[in-house]
Amino acid sequence: GAGVSQSPSNKVTEKGKDVELRCDPISGHTALYWYRQSLGQGLEFLIYFQGNSAPDKSGLPSDRFSAERTGGSVSTLTIQRTQQEDSAVYLCASSLAFEQGNTLAKNIQYFGAGTRLSVL
Amino acid sequence: QQQVKQSPQSLIVQKGGISIINCAYENTAFDYFPWYQQFPGKGPALLIAIRPDVSEKKEGRFTISFNKSAKQFSLHIMDSQPGDSATYFCAASLFHIYNFNKFYFGSGTKLNVKP
Repeated sequence: GAGVSQSPSNKVTEKGKDVELRCDPISGHTALYWYRQSLGQGLEFLIYFQGNSAPDKSGLPSDRFSAERTGGSVSTLTIQRTQQEDSAVYLCASSLAFEQGNTLAKNIQYFGAGTRLSVL
Repeated sequence: QQQVKQSPQSLIVQKGGISIINCAYENTAFDYFPWYQQFPGKGPALLIAIRPDVSEKKEGRFTISFNKSAKQFSLHIMDSQPGDSATYFCAASLFHIYNFNKFYFGSGTKLNVKP
């Protein structure tokens, strides 16, 4: 697609329910990132995918959080048994991998508009 | 601990004035310093970036000043316009062992340019 697409744009859920957030990266981008943006805070790194593998998932805050990527494209971030502190905007970004493009291009992450999650 | 500290949290500037946002970092291994601009309801978008081998980079009304010895860098917006009103994030990255640029973001500065 033309840009990074995330769905849903807004999600309201009840505490204890599971939620799935979807990210559709820019076509051809092999690198994909998930971030969390809490109110008044910066972007907190959650996980990185290179293709379908996640070499760095160090930012996932607990084992309630998981993510997968299939076909080297769409990624899903799943939060199980949601808590109120999970309320935030979840942002996805994609970029070219290091073996693609020039140095400048490899450093540019393109962000989606995010999913605003509200846990009641 | 917070790897990149950003200030101020919010900033009000009159149209035509200069907006200055500051960031400081700890890790001297960082080798790429981008600034991102985020409008309400949108994802952040790259505005301008600098590598540590230069002290200043200018693109139109936007300038990054970089002080390697002080481990500080700043964004200057000249002739600020109401359309510049947005949240600005600084970031720093380093080559990660898994071959990608892991970004550490500042907490953001909400800029409001008054007409």
